Amino acid sequence: DSGVTQTPKHLITATGQRVTLRCSPRSGDLSVYWYQQSLDQGLQFLIQYYNGEERAKGNILERFSAQQFPDLHSELNLSSLELGDSALYFCASSFSAGLNTEAFFGQGTRLTVV
Amino acid sequence: QQQVKQSPQSLIVQKGGISIINCAYENTAFDYFPWYQQFPGKGPALLIAIRPDVSEKKEGRFTISFNKSAKQFSLHIMDSQPGDSATYFCAASRDDKIIFGKGTRLHILP
Repeated sequence: DSGVTQTPKHLITATGQRVTLRCSPRSGDLSVYWYQQSLDQGLQFLIQYYNGEERAKGNILERFSAQQFPDLHSELNLSSLELGDSALYFCASSFSAGLNTEAFFGQGTRLTVV
Repeated sequence: QQQVKQSPQSLIVQKGGISIINCAYENTAFDYFPWYQQFPGKGPALLIAIRPDVSEKKEGRFTISFNKSAKQFSLHIMDSQPGDSATYFCAASRDDKIIFGKGTRLHILP
């Protein structure tokens, strides 16, 4: 168990809908990272928050947004969902700010868009 | 275009053998090269990582070899065990960017 908690584990929703994925980082970690894993694109970095502020941005679509709250938990909001958004979404956390440090992954949320 | 090319896509090794997975990167600004292990239904877990100031790092049965001039690095798993059967991802990162390889599905025959 990495200590990173993601909810829900599974989510099935229809095209056009909006969902929110939640992540609680390991105790003491200040950084939260969001990743998308799909068969065709592999594992891709979406966005990072550090101590409440957006710090780095990867291949995140404009329909997607995230935030980190004062208690350091984070939410990833996916809107106007398309079939191609079906994927595993992982959250990771670390104490340090950079992407070039050890990070601990949660078990993921499997999103299915039908 | 920044990529991390990982090979092979899949690998079958006999128990007790050596598993070798290779990665190549393009951007010389990357300064952290981790390997992640992922079991079905689980998130990736950091296995071992290296920075470009050393050419090799060993942790137990796992070794990273790093060739800075060739922009290549590899993971060696010595005495491979059935429990090592998983998908392995390499990555190259810097402070504000990380790119993963496409993964290698490793199967260790008992």
